Amino acid sequence: GEKVEQHESTLSVREGDSAVINCTYTDTASSYFPWYKQEAGKSLHFVIDIRSNVDRKQSQRLTVLLDKKAKRFSLHITATQPEDSAIYFCAASRGSFNKLTFGAGTRLAVCP
Amino acid sequence: EAAVTQSPRNKVTVTGGNVTLSCRQTNSHNYMYWYRQDTGHGLRLIHYSYGAGNLQIGDVPDGYKATRTTQEDFFLLLELASPSQTSLYFCASSDSSGNTLYFGEGSRLIVV
Repeated sequence: GEKVEQHESTLSVREGDSAVINCTYTDTASSYFPWYKQEAGKSLHFVIDIRSNVDRKQSQRLTVLLDKKAKRFSLHITATQPEDSAIYFCAASRGSFNKLTFGAGTRLAVCP
Repeated sequence: EAAVTQSPRNKVTVTGGNVTLSCRQTNSHNYMYWYRQDTGHGLRLIHYSYGAGNLQIGDVPDGYKATRTTQEDFFLLLELASPSQTSLYFCASSDSSGNTLYFGEGSRLIVV
């Protein structure tokens, strides 16, 4: 089955700098790649996703890049703010009606 | 915004005990999921369901049963709890596309 690996278990950046979280996947048939955010002591919520028909998607300060050849995707956060501090999970699936496989999570700390 | 409610939020039980975790969603979603979250493993799918009476096996089903009694209600059952099942459990729901997941607040289970 699919395996999703998050390369950074922890990441610390200074407020205002950019942060990049990288993930790789194994299933060449995967076509849907969402990201979820979990703030301390809270549940997860969806932040952004990308599908395999594009290689870049941006939403405000968040950008997701997808490299299908390398089976790699990444989340870029620009102008980081303290409220960006959280655990970020990447995930992958074969698309609609297929279950998501999550990575282990990256704990991002934005320091003033 | 999807509403997913879990109960109990915290539970301590003894090894060999019976535990039922409950989940209710009020957004008419067809899909419901049970995940466990453990440090270093991220979220792992235990069981999921496409609708009332339907049950699908996830990636880590051993030691767990589940039942979907209505479109709204999805239960996770641990009939002989073991310390290895100490974890944070999340229920989630999604619409028929199975894409964006809406998570509950989590149920922390400790098996002593």
